[in-house]
Amino acid sequence: AQSVSQHNHHVILSEAASLELGCNYSYGGTVNLFWYVQYPGQHLQLLLKYFSGDPLVKGIKGFEAEFIKSKFSFNLRKPSVQWSDTAEYFCAVNPSGTYKYIFGTGTRLKVLA
Amino acid sequence: DVKVTQSSRYLVKRTGEKVFLECVQDMDHENMFWYRQDPGLGLRLIYFSYDVKMKEKGDIPEGYSVSREKKERFSLILESASTNQTSMYLCASSLIGAEREREQYFGPGTRLTVT
Repeated sequence: AQSVSQHNHHVILSEAASLELGCNYSYGGTVNLFWYVQYPGQHLQLLLKYFSGDPLVKGIKGFEAEFIKSKFSFNLRKPSVQWSDTAEYFCAVNPSGTYKYIFGTGTRLKVLA
Repeated sequence: DVKVTQSSRYLVKRTGEKVFLECVQDMDHENMFWYRQDPGLGLRLIYFSYDVKMKEKGDIPEGYSVSREKKERFSLILESASTNQTSMYLCASSLIGAEREREQYFGPGTRLTVT
């Protein structure tokens, strides 16, 4: 069955630390990849997406992610986190040609001021 | 600006009640989705619809049904609410078009408690 793994369930960082959140998926075909963020009390919103082309994609608020096809991974990075990045982050995979999205279990990030 | 709205932010219902959760989008999107979000389990797809009156089961459809009579509105129905349906329910919508346009837009969620 198709699945998405986010291995880090809870991450605590100090401001200015670098962030990398892992995302691995199990699907052999072509995929579209997403990272969503949910700030406390707010709805899920898109951080960035990958469809094709350059495997390094840049999103909002200084986030970026790299698609490594050979590793079935789409890790999220930010060089220097801020207190306002405290949120839950979800990786999602959309197998190409389908309307189905498979979400990971999420990673709760807490940034200490 | 893209908008997905859900009828209630918080809802408390009794076991056995029939519950309706409503979702409306103003973006003329063809696809609409219902998920439930539980701690440690992420988002799990209940049902989705790719057109008016069309629906497909997701991963956890048991105990739920849906209705899509108009393009902009997608309703989730709990036929007989049970305590294990206490959860956050999220509605989303997306275009059918080119894959690069198919990101999902989410509503604010309805936190349902069944007592």
